[in-house]
Amino acid sequence: KAGVTQTPRYLIKTRGQQVTLSCSPISGHRSVSWYQQTPGQGLQFLFEYFSETQRNKGNFPGRFSGRQFSNSRSEMNVSTLELGDSALYLCASSLEFTGELFFGEGSRLTVL
Amino acid sequence: EDQVTQSPEALRLQEGESSSLNCSYTVSGLRGLFWYRQDPGKGPEFLFTLYSAGEEKEKERLKATLTKKESFLHITAPKPEDSATYLCAVQAASGNTPLVFGKGTRLSVIA
Repeated sequence: KAGVTQTPRYLIKTRGQQVTLSCSPISGHRSVSWYQQTPGQGLQFLFEYFSETQRNKGNFPGRFSGRQFSNSRSEMNVSTLELGDSALYLCASSLEFTGELFFGEGSRLTVL
Repeated sequence: EDQVTQSPEALRLQEGESSSLNCSYTVSGLRGLFWYRQDPGKGPEFLFTLYSAGEEKEKERLKATLTKKESFLHITAPKPEDSATYLCAVQAASGNTPLVFGKGTRLSVIA
């Protein structure tokens, strides 16, 4: 079956702009989580959605937001981009929120 | 605060040279400890779940073990294709809490 699909794979933005990243989970998976990965901090949890409801939120500023649609697809948005937002953004899905996550290949964001 | 520390940061092995990766954790009640493998440019891939001290899981050349304070990922007779970053994560027992990841061990296996 198809895996987790993230789009776009790569993008370059400038400071102050905003960005929207998309994630299509594995069919039948209702839980979607987002992580930010940087060389210095590793994988940091952003938020988790289950059946269109945000169940958990990590320690990120309000510039980071997300949502989940009725078909379980999810988007995350980062507004007023800063240089420090440059990272690999990973989406993961699961049947329900367990530790057995299925990750996409990520969206690599570069902020100039 | 839940915390995961992995060591070493990087490990270089000759093909066939067995070794172990360490994952030390502090968590307010453990629901599960998870090992993932991440190849360059890819998302992490799930390997194992361990739930209680004394538990062991095996997959090909990999064996994961768990104590009350740490987990080990033993790699027996590694091959170059085992080269990757290995990530450890814990999930606390309280509610639907997110995984807390360590920063990983970057393993290189040289032929």
